[in-house]
Amino acid sequence: DAKTTQPNSMESNEEEPVHLPCNHSTISGTDYIHWYRQLPSQGPEYVIHGLTSNVNNRMASLAIAEDRKSSTLILHRATLRDAAVYYCILRRTGNQFYFGTGTSLTVIP
Amino acid sequence: DVKVTQSSRYLVKRTGEKVFLECVQDMDHENMFWYRQDPGLGLRLIYFSYDVKMKEKGDIPEGYSVSREKKERFSLILESASTNQTSMYLCASSPLAGVYNEQFFGPGTRLTVL
Repeated sequence: DAKTTQPNSMESNEEEPVHLPCNHSTISGTDYIHWYRQLPSQGPEYVIHGLTSNVNNRMASLAIAEDRKSSTLILHRATLRDAAVYYCILRRTGNQFYFGTGTSLTVIP
Repeated sequence: DVKVTQSSRYLVKRTGEKVFLECVQDMDHENMFWYRQDPGLGLRLIYFSYDVKMKEKGDIPEGYSVSREKKERFSLILESASTNQTSMYLCASSPLAGVYNEQFFGPGTRLTVL
């Protein structure tokens, strides 16, 4: 199984950048790196994904290490609404995601 | 606005009861998924379906079955509920298989089996 490792929890001050790390040392060449987040009392929602190159969208940036064994989700300015559990997921061809336990992000006002 | 809805937010059942969890999506997606979420274990895939009447086992299918008679609806069935099936159940859908296709999740059903 393609597994990911994330810290259980992290804290950030409001309006500061947040870097959420993820290790995926067993990643294979066809695995895409996806990030989802789960706000309290909601289902997970898509944040961003990438394969080899760094990616930016309106929600976040994804920095992928050159050897692809790790990645970092970057929230440029944390807000209170960004408090959530963030999941780093490897997705191979096909339908299956491998969710881990995620990182619980606390944003401090 | 894309929508995945689940029949109940909270459900309480007794041991041995047959339980149906319903999921409906309005995005015409081919793929649908059932996960359960437990503290310390994250989300684990129970079953998924890539077409009407098609189903595939996920990581933890034991004690569950599924039904997909219509494209928009995917049901999870607990034939004889047990206390270790107390959990949060999440349904998701996505377009045709592609590694970049995002999954859209419903709000979840918190099932308690007494």
